[in-house]
This record gives sequence, C-alpha cells and structure tokens, in this order.
Amino acid sequence: GAVVSQHPSRVICKSGTSVKIECRSLDFQATTMFWYRQFPKKSLMLMATSNEGSKATYEQGVEKDKFLINHASLTLSTLTVTSAHPEDSSFYICSARDPLDRALDTDTQYFGPGTRLTVL
Amino acid sequence: QKEVEQDPGPLSVPEGAIVSLNCTYSNSAFQYFMWYRQYSRKGPELLMYTYSSGNKEDGRFTAQVDKSSKYISLFIRDSQPSDSATYLCATTSGSARQLTFGSGTQLTVLP
Repeated sequence: GAVVSQHPSRVICKSGTSVKIECRSLDFQATTMFWYRQFPKKSLMLMATSNEGSKATYEQGVEKDKFLINHASLTLSTLTVTSAHPEDSSFYICSARDPLDRALDTDTQYFGPGTRLTVL
Repeated sequence: QKEVEQDPGPLSVPEGAIVSLNCTYSNSAFQYFMWYRQYSRKGPELLMYTYSSGNKEDGRFTAQVDKSSKYISLFIRDSQPSDSATYLCATTSGSARQLTFGSGTQLTVLP
C-alpha cells in the first residue's frame, strides 16, 4: 500500500507558540489529504480536508484561524497549530488518498504515523 | 445517534481464540466498508476493504458485510498477541470521500 509520513512524530512546546506538522505522501501524488485529531482511547475526529491548490474545508467546530492548513504540492500538506494552548494537546493524524489506487473500487485513505503534540 | 456504532470494549481473549468485532451503521448511502488496525501511538493501518454484502477473506482475517441489516464484522482466527490493537471500522458513501469511523474496539490477545 501507499506510504504516508508525518513529521515530527512528537513535539512539546510552550503555550502561545505555533507548531507546524508536515504530512507527506511518499510514493504517490495526493490531491486530497485529511487531518484528524484523536484523543486517548477515542476514535479519529476529522478536522479538515486539504485540497491541493485550494483552501481547506474545515469541519464544523474547527477553528480555521487556529488550525492553518496548506496543501502547496501534490505530496505535502501542513497543519499549523497557531498560539497553541494545553487543550490543543492531542494526537494529530493525517491521511492521503491515492486516486490511482486501482486495486480498490474507490479511493481509500492511507494514514500517517501521527504526531503527538504536548503543549505545556 | 452516531452514524457508525462500535462496541469500544475492551475485549480480552486468549491466544488462538476467534475474535469477532462488530459495527452497525445507519446511513444507507454507505457503500464501502473498511477495517483499520491501530497500534498504540501509531496511525491506523488498512486491514480489510469490502464493497458488497458477503464475506471477504485475507489470511486469518474475514470481513463480513450485511447491507440489509447494516451490520459489518471482522473475524480474526487463531488470534495472536501481535493482534492486540484497537480496531476501527470505517465507511464511506464514496462520493463524499470522507470516512466515518466507529469509536474503535480495543483488543488484547493474551499469550
């Protein structure tokens, strides 16, 4: 299957700072990437859909000015948590769709390994 | 009511047991069904993908879909301690291209 990487895998920052998380599709071009947030022992919560070359689509309740998403190329999407606060501490996971994955009838999503953010 | 309901567990079984994981969904528009496995502190890994009602087998794993009752299952035969993880069911209508996840079931296989 396709490989998606995330960087960094773990980040600790002070309250008020901004943190950037990168999501890369390593062996395919992803026109669409998704950003999720996951709390301990909880399922994935979709935050936004990132489309290459256009603005991201945010889910209801997600602050677009706080969680800035940029999808500047077909292999890279970034999530910037601006002015982070302790309540932003979470596990952030990205996924990417491989539109050429003809082994499946529909586009499936391949997930990155996640980034654990801790805001002190 | 959540669109996809999944028993969160935790579920603990002895090594070699058959494991049954289940989800129900409410939206008839959902056409594609997936099972993901997530180890602690890792991203989800696609295990199985099904489209039509019926069974799909891959090694020790069998995915079952019953669209008439909106019920999906994952069976694990001869379970191993390495199968210990959280299993997430997911579904999509295809056109929406967004996955709707169940809450995940935490499985522990005891050696």
